[in-house]
Amino acid sequence: ETGVTQTPRHLVMGMTNKKSLKCEQHLGHNAMYWYKQSAKKPLELMFVYNFKEQTENNSVPSRFSPECPNSSHLFLHLHTLQPEDSALYLCASSHGVGSDEQFFGPGTRLTVL
Amino acid sequence: AQSVTQPDIHITVSEGASLELRCNYSYGATPYLFWYVQSPGQGLQLLLKYFSGDTLVQGIKGFEAEFKRSQSSFNLRKPSVHWSDAAEYFCAVGAQSGGGADGLTFGKGTHLIIQP
Repeated sequence: ETGVTQTPRHLVMGMTNKKSLKCEQHLGHNAMYWYKQSAKKPLELMFVYNFKEQTENNSVPSRFSPECPNSSHLFLHLHTLQPEDSALYLCASSHGVGSDEQFFGPGTRLTVL
Repeated sequence: AQSVTQPDIHITVSEGASLELRCNYSYGATPYLFWYVQSPGQGLQLLLKYFSGDTLVQGIKGFEAEFKRSQSSFNLRKPSVHWSDAAEYFCAVGAQSGGGADGLTFGKGTHLIIQP
């Protein structure tokens, strides 16, 4: 595997379910990011991790819970989501934080029923 | 805080014709600027980036962009488009935060349609 991978690619869940999104980067990067992409809205930065430490939480509701066990893996734990949380969730990584070029995964298409 | 404006939501271009996608940014210092492309069902792929130096930047797939500080613009161009260029294009700005924690700020995107 090369680049940034995300699993699953598609997820359908009810509002009472608990699920997790997984991101893995094979680029030796130190920073990882979660973005939310909704229809007709700009990409929204959700979380930033640098060397496994969370450095930014962009006012994301607590029903989204990130986890970064090491520099190569990033998770987004989901619970009691709302239908408006349906979106494409993109993971990215970069060598450092700030303005380094970011490499994106293919995304997880989430539908909340 | 930085911001990005892509004034065109949709653009339709005939195959073989030239293309220019507009991007304006707001940032107090010299920004880092990026153009990404997203095909349906895919993540974002970097086309090109500007950090410093030559204001005309060459990218992949025959794209180029020009940084114009006086106009706060970073427009993307291609002399002759191909049907495979149909996609969503995003301009993004990054802050020169010296190791700060900010991610990139993206525009809303321009949807490019290629007519045969």
